[in-house]
Amino acid sequence: QSVLTQPPSASGTPGQRVTISCSGSSSDFGGHAVSWYQLFPGMAPKLLIYSFHLRPAGVIDRFSGSQSGSSASLVISGLRSEDEADYYCAVWDDTMKGWVFGGGTKLTVL
Amino acid sequence: QVQLQESGPGLVKPSQTLSLTCNVSGGSVSSGSHYWSWIRQPAGKGLEWIGRIYMSGATNYSPSFESRVTLSVDTSNNQFSLQLSSVTAADTAVYYCARESIGWFWDSWGRGTLVTVSS
Repeated sequence: QSVLTQPPSASGTPGQRVTISCSGSSSDFGGHAVSWYQLFPGMAPKLLIYSFHLRPAGVIDRFSGSQSGSSASLVISGLRSEDEADYYCAVWDDTMKGWVFGGGTKLTVL
Repeated sequence: QVQLQESGPGLVKPSQTLSLTCNVSGGSVSSGSHYWSWIRQPAGKGLEWIGRIYMSGATNYSPSFESRVTLSVDTSNNQFSLQLSSVTAADTAVYYCARESIGWFWDSWGRGTLVTVSS
């Protein structure tokens, strides 16, 4: 079963660039794309990145994603106060035939 | 634009069965391009995938829940449901329903509903 590891916290000042990592225990995430989600309390989670690096319509280009080998990253450029939220990565695990989430990263804008 | 809305009791007694329904609007549970998932978040903890169902009724369950979870889909009412049996306080969480696009991502989520397990 895959395990996804994220840093529990990250922080930055307005305007900075912040990177949140997601490391997998199986090589190349089994060939699947990691997706990224943004969570605010009391609101529906929001898809930020899918299919390795694509953004859904409506997600601003300050959010970008990449994936290589057993690591994936979410990059937030031009950090703003409204980016303060929890961020999760997720990937399908063929062995488990199920989804695995990272532990989540709480982003603080200082 | 598809919208999902969870509904069900907010309080369940220990050992009983938690039952939630997700009503889908602006889209169809009969779509061949989507799975329909349940995901939860215990207070102060991360997201946990519970399982998913396809329009045919085919399911995948997380090993963590497989022994006590049942998902079902009701195409006539455009909704899908979760039943989790033998609940304990550890099942207290915000439960989300979500649409998974074949292509491996969830593109629509409900706002979540808090279920508390307590006597």
